[in-house]
Amino acid sequence: GESVGLHLPTLSVQEGDNSIINCAYSNSASDYFIWYKQESGKGPQFIIDIRSNMDKRQGQRVTVLLNKTVKHLSLQIAATQPGDSAVYFCADQHDAGNMLTFGGGTRLMVKP
Amino acid sequence: NAGVMQNPRHLVRRRGQEARLRCSPMKGHSHVYWYRQLPEEGLKFMVYLQKENIIDESGMPKERFSAEFPKEGPSILRIQQVVRGDSAAYFCASSPSGNTIYFGEGSWLTVV
Repeated sequence: GESVGLHLPTLSVQEGDNSIINCAYSNSASDYFIWYKQESGKGPQFIIDIRSNMDKRQGQRVTVLLNKTVKHLSLQIAATQPGDSAVYFCADQHDAGNMLTFGGGTRLMVKP
Repeated sequence: NAGVMQNPRHLVRRRGQEARLRCSPMKGHSHVYWYRQLPEEGLKFMVYLQKENIIDESGMPKERFSAEFPKEGPSILRIQQVVRGDSAAYFCASSPSGNTIYFGEGSWLTVV
């Protein structure tokens, strides 16, 4: 991921709608990708991960899509709920044990 | 299984004092990472440690910052002679194998 160091972009959705959060990464050698959710005053919470040998992985209400050709990652949240309101970060890693590189984050706001 | 434990959660230091942040990884995790987060920004890697060894400290400032993960006890991030620019949230993370990485709730340092 690439941190832009500016005010976070914000995605505002209506409760019940689907949300799509996008992320670009820069290291073509990255082989492991994670999405984290961070609520105010708390640490990043693991949501879902995907390895580079896959292009899609589904969890409970969440789906991660990986496009290695354009180095793009997305997180889809189905039936977004107020509790989903948070900042979402993608992170990528090259080889197990190496550092995670975080993207700049997207703030998701869910309107009731 | 308790999560990654960090303390103190909040720390206030005057300029020139020392700050010590502690991190106890999850049980069975031998990989520890420290990250720093400024408001409205992503997490920036600082250092990666395994028991008694620093594996990667490429994100650590050259002066005043140090980290250790002794054979017994928590990992410590130490900041000497703190300055206002050190004010940030410091997150510790741990992993059993270097892949799935779990974060603690963070330590918020305020330098006055």
